[in-house]
Amino acid sequence: EIVMTQSPATLSVSPGERATLSCRASQSVSSNLAWYQRKPGQAPRLLIYGASTRATGIPARFGGSGSGTEFTLTISSLQSEDVAVYYCQQYNNWITFGQGTRLEIK
Amino acid sequence: EVQLVESGGGLIQPGGSLRLSCAASGFTVNSNHMSWVRQAPGKGLEWVSIIYSGDSTYYADSVKGRFTISRDNSKNTLYLQMNSLRAEDTAVYYCARVPDRTYWYFDLWGRGTLVTVSS
Repeated sequence: EIVMTQSPATLSVSPGERATLSCRASQSVSSNLAWYQRKPGQAPRLLIYGASTRATGIPARFGGSGSGTEFTLTISSLQSEDVAVYYCQQYNNWITFGQGTRLEIK
Repeated sequence: EVQLVESGGGLIQPGGSLRLSCAASGFTVNSNHMSWVRQAPGKGLEWVSIIYSGDSTYYADSVKGRFTISRDNSKNTLYLQMNSLRAEDTAVYYCARVPDRTYWYFDLWGRGTLVTVSS
């Protein structure tokens, strides 16, 4: 099983600042990686697939990068509505998720 | 509106059975690949099962032989039949749409339904 490790567990960022979330795979997943956002009481939302392709309707401030074992989700200018838990998921070999990063407003 | 709404969760004793439903609107489940994902309390997300539009099915090892995924095209609804439930099956269960047969990511999720397995 491919283990996905996200860091940090919790991230506090000031409004308008950049947020950088990391995801590491225990073995190469190529570019078969997705990022999701989950807000309390809401359905998870797909942000990024293919490591760097934004899903339909996702604001341009969300960006994904990386390949192989190291991936990054960047929010270029944090908005209050971006407070959520973010998960990465590999789909190169079955499916596994990271434990999530909780993003807070500083 | 395109959405998924899960139902059928609740409290069930170990060894019992439960069937979860996921009603789709705005698209048809029979022409899409659909999946179930769960999250146990304090744990991460765990993929459970997938059904292709062509009816092939796959399961996580943790539920293989106990859970069955299916759909009713007339009701536009996805199901998860869960038998021989264990305490470790306690989780919020989400249904999700898989937009690509080869690349199993999820482009639409429901809000989930809570299953609690306890005596």
